[in-house]
Amino acid sequence: KAGVTQTPRYLIKTRGQQVTLSCSPISGHRSVSWYQQTPGQGLQFLFEYFSETQRNKGNFPGRFSGRQFSNSRSEMNVSTLELGDSALYLCASSPGQLYNEQFFGPGTRLTVL
Amino acid sequence: GQQVMQIPQYQHVQEGEDFTTYCNSSTTLSNIQWYKQRPGGHPVFLIQLVKSGEVKKQKRLTFQFGEAKKNSSLHITATQTTDVGTYFCAGPPTSGTYKYIFGTGTRLKVLA
Repeated sequence: KAGVTQTPRYLIKTRGQQVTLSCSPISGHRSVSWYQQTPGQGLQFLFEYFSETQRNKGNFPGRFSGRQFSNSRSEMNVSTLELGDSALYLCASSPGQLYNEQFFGPGTRLTVL
Repeated sequence: GQQVMQIPQYQHVQEGEDFTTYCNSSTTLSNIQWYKQRPGGHPVFLIQLVKSGEVKKQKRLTFQFGEAKKNSSLHITATQTTDVGTYFCAGPPTSGTYKYIFGTGTRLKVLA
């Protein structure tokens, strides 16, 4: 089985721009979660989608949004980028039931200049 | 909100020494997962504990879930250089949400 893929792997943007990141989960997995990882704040939960619906949301501003498509692929969007948005964005897929392990993708390294 | 702290933040050990990281949650957890992230890599699932007081072993790794389901530990016996990385615990509140809160992580360095 192919693993979780994320595109692009690296991205450089400037303040004020917006960005869209993509995540393709493992085949058959219906849940996709997004995390932001920074040296200062660690791994922080952004949101989780299951069957095209946002099931859980973390404590991030509305500039961070996401969606999931019928094939379970997910995108997250960050508008009006700030310097503090520079981070590794990780997505994780799972079958979607409680107590499932999460399979992480390699991440997208976003740098905001 | 829920906080999950891990101690120590960093640990340097000589190869062959033992290592333990502790995970403490401010709220009761319905289950706890442990992940390992190698330098430059992504988190990889190690194990999940669900029952109060549960203990699981994977070769040199021993995982425990506290009786009150608010803390957990990972112990590595006779560390090897391949154990290098950051170890995270993660868990959702008892309410059964799918929202996983990750611990602050313990970065392990093993000196050969």
